[in-house]
Amino acid sequence: GEDVEQSLFLSVREGDSSVINCTYTDSSSTYLYWYKQEPGAGLQLLTYIFSNMDMKQDQRLTVLLNKKDKHLSLRIADTQTGDSAIYFCAERHKLSFGAGTTVTVRA
Amino acid sequence: SAVISQKPSRDICQRGTSLTIQCQVDSQVTMMFWYRQQPGQSLTLIATANQGSEATYESGFVIDKFPISRPNLTFSTLTVSNMSPEDSSIYLCSVQGTNTEAFFGQGTRLTVV
Repeated sequence: GEDVEQSLFLSVREGDSSVINCTYTDSSSTYLYWYKQEPGAGLQLLTYIFSNMDMKQDQRLTVLLNKKDKHLSLRIADTQTGDSAIYFCAERHKLSFGAGTTVTVRA
Repeated sequence: SAVISQKPSRDICQRGTSLTIQCQVDSQVTMMFWYRQQPGQSLTLIATANQGSEATYESGFVIDKFPISRPNLTFSTLTVSNMSPEDSSIYLCSVQGTNTEAFFGQGTRLTVV
């Protein structure tokens, strides 16, 4: 099976919160990352979390990590149209990526 | 953060030809990687570019098809050899420095006709 799995699509209303979920299999992963990819663009590192942390907050972004369940989530508060993109989670060991979650923000 | 320049940003190539993609980083980095992102897909690691030695290829990728050079700690090239339409993808260079972050170049969008 895949090393990193994500849901593929998320539609959210402008101003609401978005939550993107990710599961991974490699328990030795020391860091887990969230990247954003806008159409036709490269990957932008949004944030990362060390495996001994439960939560990390950075402005509108909150990362939650449940190491026991190997579950990672990214919450975007007050979602804006500029947040429409594909979001990838990745684990550090071999920088394996999930399939990406396409987030569509509707007015 | 590391600034990564990839060249070319895009190209259209004839099948059977080869294309070399360059990746230049503005600081010395320990780890450099090459990824492929096929249309509508996630990223797949092709290989780790090792400075001063042969690259380490992932399953399904071979040196004859994707030769890689890493002459120093700031530069690497990936060649896509004997191209076919199936090689049409975005190819991305990535670096990891001494910190935890992994950064990506803007990618090279390759179309093989």
